[in-house]
Amino acid sequence: KAGVTQTPRYLIKTRGQQVTLSCSPISGHRSVSWYQQTPGQGLQFLFEYFSETQRNKGNFPGRFSGRQFSNSRSEMNVSTLELGDSALYLCASSLGQTLVATNEKLFFGSGTQLSVL
Amino acid sequence: KQEVTQIPAALSVPEGENLVLNCSFTDSAIYNLQWFRQDPGKGLTSLLLIQSSQREQTSGRLNASLDKSSGRSTLYIAASQPGDSATYLCAVRTFSGGYNKLIFGAGTRLAVHP
Repeated sequence: KAGVTQTPRYLIKTRGQQVTLSCSPISGHRSVSWYQQTPGQGLQFLFEYFSETQRNKGNFPGRFSGRQFSNSRSEMNVSTLELGDSALYLCASSLGQTLVATNEKLFFGSGTQLSVL
Repeated sequence: KQEVTQIPAALSVPEGENLVLNCSFTDSAIYNLQWFRQDPGKGLTSLLLIQSSQREQTSGRLNASLDKSSGRSTLYIAASQPGDSATYLCAVRTFSGGYNKLIFGAGTRLAVHP
C-alpha cells in the first residue's frame, strides 16, 4: 500500500506570491491534517479535513487555507507569502472511521520544504 | 493553554544503553498522548499512542507510560542501537479553542553511537 504522498518535495517562492501544496493520503483514509514545522516554532497544527469538510483548525491566519476533494486528496494554499512562511509542511492521513477520530494513528508524508525569498 | 515540554532537548548515548525520554503537559484534559520519531528531512513515524484511559503501551524495545494526573509521559528505549538515532516528539491530542488538535513538544534529539 502506498504511503502518504506530498508534492512537490521542494519549492522556492518569493514574498507576495501564493503557493499550493498537494497531499495524497493512503488509499482508504478519509482524514487529512496539515502541519507546519520550523526551527523556531516546532511543529504546529494547521487544519484537518474529513469528508471534504474542515473539522478542526489551528491558530494560523486566513492566508493559510485548504481543501479536500471527494477522493480524499487535499491541497493547502498559502497566499501573500511572507519570509516567516518558510518551513517544512507535513500532511498526515488517518482512517477517519468516526467523525471525531481522536484515537486514530496518523501516517505522515515526507513533507514539502518551502523556502520564501 | 496546553503546553508540551520535552526534556532533554538532546541526548547522546553509547550503543546498548537503556534510556528514558520525558514529556510533560500542562493540561490533563487530553484524549491521548502520542510518541513519534522523525529522521532528518523526513516526516514523522508514529511509535506509540496511549489513550487517556490507559497507563502504558509497548512496542518491541519501546515502552511509553502516561500519568495524566501529573501531566507526564516517558518513553523508555531498551538496548539502544545506532538506528534509533532520530528526533523523538511527543504530542497530546486535546480540545482547545473549539477544536480538536494535536499539540507537539519541541522534541528530543537522540544520537546513539557505536
